[in-house]
Amino acid sequence: SQKIEQNSEALNIQEGKTATLTCNYTNYSPAYLQWYRQDPGRGPVFLLLIRENEKEKRKERLKVTFDTTLKQSLFHITASQPADSATYLCALLYTGGFKTIFGAGTRLFVKA
Amino acid sequence: DTAVSQTPKYLVTQMGNDKSIKCEQNLGHDTMYWYKQDSKKFLKIMFSYNNKELIINETVPNRFSPKSPDKAHLNLHINSLELGDSAVYFCASSQDRTGEFRGANVLTFGAGSRLTVL
Repeated sequence: SQKIEQNSEALNIQEGKTATLTCNYTNYSPAYLQWYRQDPGRGPVFLLLIRENEKEKRKERLKVTFDTTLKQSLFHITASQPADSATYLCALLYTGGFKTIFGAGTRLFVKA
Repeated sequence: DTAVSQTPKYLVTQMGNDKSIKCEQNLGHDTMYWYKQDSKKFLKIMFSYNNKELIINETVPNRFSPKSPDKAHLNLHINSLELGDSAVYFCASSQDRTGEFRGANVLTFGAGSRLTVL
């Protein structure tokens, strides 16, 4: 069965630095790889997605890369701010499906 | 204004009881879901309905029964609650979009319903 691995240890960085979060998966590459943000006591919120035929996607301070050879996605937040502190979830979706599979997330702390 | 709303937000109950969680979305989406997030924060899909038709039914005890009276509502009923059912249950919805997100099944989640079974 498909597994998604995200760093279970929290990531602590200084404000203004770039945060880089990793998502690794096994087996088949998904058609879509998505990133969501989850704040304590709230539901996940969609941030951005990348397709299997794309290498990189950007949205404001966010950047996602997708390497189907390494079976890995990297999620970058540049010029990080304390407000970026949250848990970031990686999610996979296969073609024609409705079953989005989530990783356990990585907790990010940005210190002022 | 709320896109996906769930009630109740908190539910504390005794083992063996039966409880329901309700979900409504005002986004006009065709597909709705129930996810369970356990103490280790894994979000696992339980059920999905597309236009009131069950399309995903994961390996979930049959004590859990979803019901979709219309495409804007998806309720979750749980019979004979057990300690292991304690978790946060999230409702979500999606719509096949055109353009950039076509086919990507982007999910909009509710705020979650925290169930505690004593």
